[in-house]
Amino acid sequence: AQSVTQLDSQVPVFEEAPVELRCNYSSSVSVYLFWYVQYPNQGLQLLLKYLSGSTLVKGINGFEAEFNKSQTSFHLRKPSVHISDTAEYFCAVRINQAGTALIFGKGTTLSVSS
Amino acid sequence: DAGITQSPRYKITETGRQVTLMCHQTWSHSYMFWYRQDLGHGLRLIYYSAAADITDKGEVPDGYVVSRSKTENFPLTLESATRSQTSVYFCASSRGGSYPKHRELFFGEGSRLTVL
Repeated sequence: AQSVTQLDSQVPVFEEAPVELRCNYSSSVSVYLFWYVQYPNQGLQLLLKYLSGSTLVKGINGFEAEFNKSQTSFHLRKPSVHISDTAEYFCAVRINQAGTALIFGKGTTLSVSS
Repeated sequence: DAGITQSPRYKITETGRQVTLMCHQTWSHSYMFWYRQDLGHGLRLIYYSAAADITDKGEVPDGYVVSRSKTENFPLTLESATRSQTSVYFCASSRGGSYPKHRELFFGEGSRLTVL
């Protein structure tokens, strides 16, 4: 069965500092991986996705993630965060070979302060 | 602008009552999903649908019923609401199909349900 573990429930950082949000996965099918962001009182929106090809994936708002098959990880990074990056971040993996439903991790709350 | 809309956005009900949350999308996406979001659990898949009249269970289907008579609508019904079903419910849709890039999920803004 597929599963996702987000290793940190909360990550506090100062503005302009780098950040890494960690995600490990388990999957018995070929991997599709996603990071979604949720701003307060809103739905989720896609940050980036890995489907195949280059293991370094660039997304919106300056975020990037690296797929590491040997370590079964898909960590999200940003070199310099802004106050506006404060949000909940979710890592997700597809549920089965048909590949459309996703299983989500429990989320990481990123809090950026000045 | 096309989109995915949920209604109602906020609902308060009592234990034992039937509640239906509506979801409507204008993209003609094949796939639709219902998730619930709870503190400490993230998002958990309740049910999903690959097309009209095709539905399948997710991680936490107990206590919920879905139907999909039309491609654009995917209502979620709680036949006898319980306090443990107090949650924020998100509907999502996806184009689906053979191309991986069509696997992205698009989410509605959520329906906050409180069961007293």
